[in-house]
Amino acid sequence: DAGVIQSPRHEVTEMGQEVTLRCKPISGHDYLFWYRQTMMRGLELLIYFNNNVPIDDSGMPEDRFSAKMPNASFSTLKIQPSEPRDSAVYFCASSLDRVWNTGELFFGEGSRLTVL
Amino acid sequence: GNSVTQMEGPVTLSEEAFLTINCTYTATGYPSLFWYVQYPGEGLQLLLKATKADDKGSNKGFEATYRKETTSFHLEKGSVQVSDSAVYFCALRPPMEYGNKLVFGAGTILRVKS
Repeated sequence: DAGVIQSPRHEVTEMGQEVTLRCKPISGHDYLFWYRQTMMRGLELLIYFNNNVPIDDSGMPEDRFSAKMPNASFSTLKIQPSEPRDSAVYFCASSLDRVWNTGELFFGEGSRLTVL
Repeated sequence: GNSVTQMEGPVTLSEEAFLTINCTYTATGYPSLFWYVQYPGEGLQLLLKATKADDKGSNKGFEATYRKETTSFHLEKGSVQVSDSAVYFCALRPPMEYGNKLVFGAGTILRVKS
């Protein structure tokens, strides 16, 4: 079975540009999570969705960040405009409701973003 | 609030050495506890878990026991291999009425030399 698929794997962009990260969760999973990983702050939860509806976006750092989930098989995380401090690895993860109740998330391989 | 504190790394061991990575937590109520592992270039994956006090989680030779009295969930392995080199994350999930989100520690890098 395919796991969580993220794209792009690597993105290098210049400050001020728009960045869009994409995620395809595991088929049938109804929870989707976006995390950011940096050396300074570790792994931070940005936002999560249940059945395509955003449930908690309290971790989204600023209005420059937005996330959508238009259907059960696709989500995007957008940064506009990007800044150098947004450089990080962004992970998408998914889980089944009944598995979420036990805490197991399935992570993608991450999108490494570098903003120059 | 809910938080997880892990020992700082990197931890460098020779093959077949004994491993301990310390993890302590602060939480409201009785959380579930987890260890996730991240191999180079990959996403995190669940290694083991424990959902109540005195439970022992185990997988791939790794073990961790949920100690409520010391609020700890230390990861151990009796004999590490080079292939165990990775970043290890301790995490907690508070009871649903207290937030229902996974909280991760900062991660501990493990390097195993042959």
